[in-house]
Amino acid sequence: DTAVSQTPKYLVTQMGNDKSIKCEQNLGHDTMYWYKQDSKKFLKIMFSYNNKELIINETVPNRFSPKSPDKAHLNLHINSLELGDSAVYFCASSQERGYEQYFGPGTRLTVT
Amino acid sequence: QQQVKQSPQSLIVQKGGISIINCAYENTAFDYFPWYQQFPGKGPALLIAIRPDVSEKKEGRFTISFNKSAKQFSLHIMDSQPGDSATYFCAASSPNSGYALNFGKGTSLLVTP
Repeated sequence: DTAVSQTPKYLVTQMGNDKSIKCEQNLGHDTMYWYKQDSKKFLKIMFSYNNKELIINETVPNRFSPKSPDKAHLNLHINSLELGDSAVYFCASSQERGYEQYFGPGTRLTVT
Repeated sequence: QQQVKQSPQSLIVQKGGISIINCAYENTAFDYFPWYQQFPGKGPALLIAIRPDVSEKKEGRFTISFNKSAKQFSLHIMDSQPGDSATYFCAASSPNSGYALNFGKGTSLLVTP
């Protein structure tokens, strides 16, 4: 069974569109994260959710919004997509107050 | 700003050799230091991690050395194999930042046969 899954794996869209990436974890973890990996492979935290509450909100544009319908899911909504949003987005999860984070397979977003 | 600095950017090691990757940090609130391995097209996979109350941790061929006073830690891969060829990331986190991982820029390791 896949521990952390993301859909879709690839997403190609035009500038100005709105898109969502879904993430699900079956590890029973209480905290989930979104990371962005740029073209130079640099990984940077975007958001994390703990028990459905946002506990980190890094300096990302407000066009990005995380939505957590329950503690097993953390979706990422992106409005008015820009060329610079092209990257690989990774979802991760960990136990509350734990440190071991497990990553999903990533979603490669390409904005044209 | 880059909170964790990683070197070298790339590394070529012969099969059977030792691969060494170094990281340094400034934030003394960091209290968890993991290493991740990433293959092309895959997500980062947790390899090994250490907390500052120990100076070394070994798991199989992978060893983390930690120097709290110097604020440095390193990954040693013994008997490196071609299958170890991947990108390696060090990271650091603290409760103050909600355990978000602050990553180094990564090291691309190539192990030649």
